Parts: sequence; structure tokens; C-alpha cells
Amino acid sequence: DAKTTQPNSMESNEEEPVHLPCNHSTISGTDYIHWYRQLPSQGPEYVIHGLTSNVNNRMASLAIAEDRKSSTLILHRATLRDAAVYYCILYVASGTYKYIFGTGTRLKVLA
Amino acid sequence: GAVVSQHPSWVICKSGTSVKIECRSLDFQATTMFWYRQFPKQSLMLMATSNEGSKATYEQGVEKDKFLINHASLTLSTLTVTSAHPEDSSFYICSARGRDIQYFGAGTRLSVL
Repeated sequence: DAKTTQPNSMESNEEEPVHLPCNHSTISGTDYIHWYRQLPSQGPEYVIHGLTSNVNNRMASLAIAEDRKSSTLILHRATLRDAAVYYCILYVASGTYKYIFGTGTRLKVLA
Repeated sequence: GAVVSQHPSWVICKSGTSVKIECRSLDFQATTMFWYRQFPKQSLMLMATSNEGSKATYEQGVEKDKFLINHASLTLSTLTVTSAHPEDSSFYICSARGRDIQYFGAGTRLSVL
């Protein structure tokens, strides 16, 4: 299973943009890049996903490097409610369909 | 968006008893569901893949006789922790495979006394 590497923790000031990086140097051509976040004592919540092109939705943007070996989740204006652990996951949309979670990045948002 | 309901959200049991956790996909059919466990301050660890109408596939190191999984319908998978012991205390989370992504339940906190 392909692996992802993320910083253990990051801090951001409220109402400022946040860029959460993820390295996935062993990604294969059919792997999608999925991002989830998990608030304390809750299940993971879907944020965004993409394959090759950058993606935007109401929650965030996903910037994917041209070689696909890294990606960045962008929260345009962090709020206190965005404090969570963010997971970057490589997903193969066939076969086992498994998610293998890495350690994630714990985002702290400062008021 | 799709909703996955997990029940109970919190359970306390005595050592040696069995506990059943339910995972339901409320507004879609899920041929594949997944069970994870999570210890404090750690990431989610995949325990098993639950396929409707067939035996579950367990990850390496997960005891299938300890953690019984049943996926009898397209909207329900259950995880039974048999003869629970304090070391089984953890946060158990299920997910259901949708068309493009997985949808997660809110989790079940199991405390074994």
C-alpha cells in the first residue's frame, strides 16, 4: 500500500490561509489523493479528493504537484472549528478499496 | 451527503462479556464496509474489510475469532468484540464505501472494566 508523509503538527492564526503538505512519492497512476479531517472523539470527515488536476470545493482547495508526488490542502481562511487532525490518503478505486491512514497533521488554530 | 450511523456511541462492559457494534448506511447501499480501531493520540488502524454476503477480510495481526464481523445486508455491518478485556478498550470506527469516497460513522468508544 502506498504511503503518505505529513508533518506531525502545524499552527495557524485564525482567518489566515493554511497550507497542509503531503508527500506521496510512491504514488501510482491510478491512486487518487483523498483528504479527511478528524475532530476529537469523532469519525473522519471527508474534505476533498483529486487525481491530477487541482480541485476546489466549499471546504478547501487541493493543489496537486505536476509529478503527483506531493499535494497540498489549502484552507483559505482558518477558523477555530478547523482545528483537527488532517489525513492525506492514497486511494485505489479498485480491488480492495482500502484506506490506509498515516499519522496525519494536527492543526492548531490560534485565536 | 451520504450518512453512516454507528451505534452505540459509547459502551462500558465487564471483562469477559461480548459487545456488538452496529454500522448502518442510511441513504445508500454499501457492498463494502470497513472497521477501524483508534487508540488515544494515534491514527486509525484498519482492522477488516466487510463484504456483503461473504466473509470479512482481516488485516494482519487482527484476530478474526476475537472480532466477529457480519455484513448480512447492504446497509448493515456489525462488529462483535467477543470476551472483551481491558486491552480491547478503544475507539472503534466504521466506514462504508460510496461511489468515490468512504463515509465514516461517528465512532464507538468501548471501555472494558
